[in-house]
Amino acid sequence: DGGITQSPKYLFRKEGQNVTLSCEQNLNHDAMYWYRQDPGQGLRLIYYSQIVNDFQKGDIAEGYSVSREKKESFPLTVTSAQKNPTAFYLCASNNRPGQKAKNIQYFGAGTRLSVL
Amino acid sequence: QKEVEQDPGPLSVPEGAIVSLNCTYSNSAFQYFMWYRQYSRKGPELLMYTYSSGNKEDGRFTAQVDKSSKYISLFIRDSQPSDSATYLCAMSETGNTGKLIFGQGTTLQVKP
Repeated sequence: DGGITQSPKYLFRKEGQNVTLSCEQNLNHDAMYWYRQDPGQGLRLIYYSQIVNDFQKGDIAEGYSVSREKKESFPLTVTSAQKNPTAFYLCASNNRPGQKAKNIQYFGAGTRLSVL
Repeated sequence: QKEVEQDPGPLSVPEGAIVSLNCTYSNSAFQYFMWYRQYSRKGPELLMYTYSSGNKEDGRFTAQVDKSSKYISLFIRDSQPSDSATYLCAMSETGNTGKLIFGQGTTLQVKP
């Protein structure tokens, strides 16, 4: 089945610890995105990547880092600099965003991160 | 002022009711309009997609876009308990990034 797989489903972070959230897609999509969802605030863009080895900051990139070494993988690291990391994190992908594209994003099931 | 405004609700209706969900936006460059449905603790799934102005119908769901008023709507007819979820509007400009701007989401509960 084609889709986006996020792991783990639940993650706990200790004070001062970096944690990495995994996102893998087998849709052969070019672009991938990371969002943070807090209650009542909708989805806020953290980072996005339109092509391998390239990525851009979104609206709330501080305290996060990403890499895009393979087309199918876009891991997100929540660093110790992110002082309020408790949230639901969603990964999405989009096939060839551009002038004639529909810009539809497809989402994974999410990772819920909590602080111990 | 946020680029996209959506009433967070919660909205509670009896089974069989017609539901109207709405978003307003400020960026006149938005061309693509989407509605996503998100069940509790799950990822959003695409429900409806509309390009530019007009209406689109799919079963019990109808999406409307009024670009002159910068207003989009989702109507759900004969609502069912299984429609209980959070509904997110999303929109984007033409361009190469594919970035979407989301509303805050409206939580809907359909009571049997």
